[in-house]
Amino acid sequence: AQSVTQLDSHVSVSEGTPVLLRCNYSSSYSPSLFWYVQHPNKGLQLLLKYTSAATLVKGINGFEAEFKKSETSFHLTKPSAHMSDAAEYFCVVSDIGGGADGLTFGKGTHLIIQP
Amino acid sequence: DTEVTQTPKHLVMGMTNKKSLKCEQHMGHRAMYWYKQKAKKPPELMFVYSYEKLSINESVPSRFSPECPNSSLLNLHLHALQPEDSALYLCASSQGLAGPTDTQYFGPGTRLTVL
Repeated sequence: AQSVTQLDSHVSVSEGTPVLLRCNYSSSYSPSLFWYVQHPNKGLQLLLKYTSAATLVKGINGFEAEFKKSETSFHLTKPSAHMSDAAEYFCVVSDIGGGADGLTFGKGTHLIIQP
Repeated sequence: DTEVTQTPKHLVMGMTNKKSLKCEQHMGHRAMYWYKQKAKKPPELMFVYSYEKLSINESVPSRFSPECPNSSLLNLHLHALQPEDSALYLCASSQGLAGPTDTQYFGPGTRLTVL
C-alpha cells in the first residue's frame, strides 16, 4: 500500500523569499514521485518527477525537489517566490501498479504569496 | 508537445439534460483517464481506458458513461445528473507504460454546473 502526506495545507511566503512545500510518502516498492501545480480553475500541470534516476530533480519555473529515501520525503523548493507561483500544489506517488491504478494524490498545499 | 485539450470549458445543465464532455490528445498516448475534482480536494479517479479498452471503473454511477472512439479521443456522456455532480472534470493521458514511471498529463478541465 502507498500513501502521501503533504504536511502543510497552507503555506504563506513573501515574494522573493524561498518556498518549501513538504511531502512524505510510504511505498512498499520503488516509487515514482510527482509534483503537480494547479492554478485556480485550471488543470494540473506537471512541475517535475522522480523516476529512480538523479535524486535531485529540477522542474519548470525554477522549482526543484530532492528524493530522500531514508527520510521518505520529496519536498518541493524554489529559491525565490514569484506572485505567479500562488496556486495549489499536489504531491503524487506511483508505485508498482503504475498509471492511475498506482497513483495516490496528497491532499494539496495552498501556496500564498504575499507582496 | 504535452497538450491535452478539453471541450467545453464550462457547461451548465439541468438534471434532465444529456450532454457530453470531450477530451483529445495527439501525443500518441495509449492510456486516457477521467477524474472528478471538487473544490479544495485532489482529483478522484473515475475511469481509465488502456489501448481503447475500459480497464478501470471506480464504481461511478451509470449516469456517467465513458466512450473511447479511438486512441486520441475520450468522451464522457452525462445524463440525469444531480446537483452534487457539479465539479471540475479533468481528462489526462499517459503513454500507458506498465510500472510507476508512466506520467500523466492533464487537460484544463470542464467546469460542470448541474442545476
